[in-house]
Amino acid sequence: EIVLTQSPATLSLSPGERATLSCRASQSVSNSLAWYQQKPGQAPRLLIYDASNRATGIPARFSGSGSGTDFTLTISSLEPEDFAVYYCQQRSNWPLFTFGPGTKVDFK
Amino acid sequence: EVQLVESGGGLVQPGGSLRLSCAASGFTFSSSWMHWVRQAPGKGLVWVSRINTDGSNTNNADSVKGRFTISRDNAKNTLFLQMNSLRAEDTAVYYCARESATGYNDYWGQGTLVTVSS
Repeated sequence: EIVLTQSPATLSLSPGERATLSCRASQSVSNSLAWYQQKPGQAPRLLIYDASNRATGIPARFSGSGSGTDFTLTISSLEPEDFAVYYCQQRSNWPLFTFGPGTKVDFK
Repeated sequence: EVQLVESGGGLVQPGGSLRLSCAASGFTFSSSWMHWVRQAPGKGLVWVSRINTDGSNTNNADSVKGRFTISRDNAKNTLFLQMNSLRAEDTAVYYCARESATGYNDYWGQGTLVTVSS
């Protein structure tokens, strides 16, 4: 089973700052990794797929990078609506999918 | 507009059963692989189950194997999750989600809460 770890668990930032979130896989997942955003009381929203491709309608301030075991989600300049929990997900270990534990981005 | 609407959640005793439904609209349901993902209160997302387009191939997380069964009715554009031998640790919001052409979950329902408690 591929295990995903995310760091930090919580990231305290102010609007306008840059956010850098990390996801590490226990073994290579190639580029088969996605990032999701979840706000309280809402379903997750797909942000990034295949490590670096923005999903439909996702603003350009969100970017993803990495391959193999180390991945990064960057939010170039935080907007108030970006304060949420972010999860990575791998689909390399098909047909089993796994999520990371999440990183919460909250107000400093 | 793509819509996924879950129903069937509620309070059930340990050892009991529950059947969740997910009504799909706004896309060709019969052409999409579908998933169930759950989230315990205050916790993270956990993938549960996946089914192919015609229902002939399913996969489940180890934690629900032998207890949960995913199925679908393409004529009614509906996804199901039959949950048997429920445990307290199955308490969660259950989401259905569509698998996109790129293999990720691009559309999600609003979720239905299942509470397993005596």
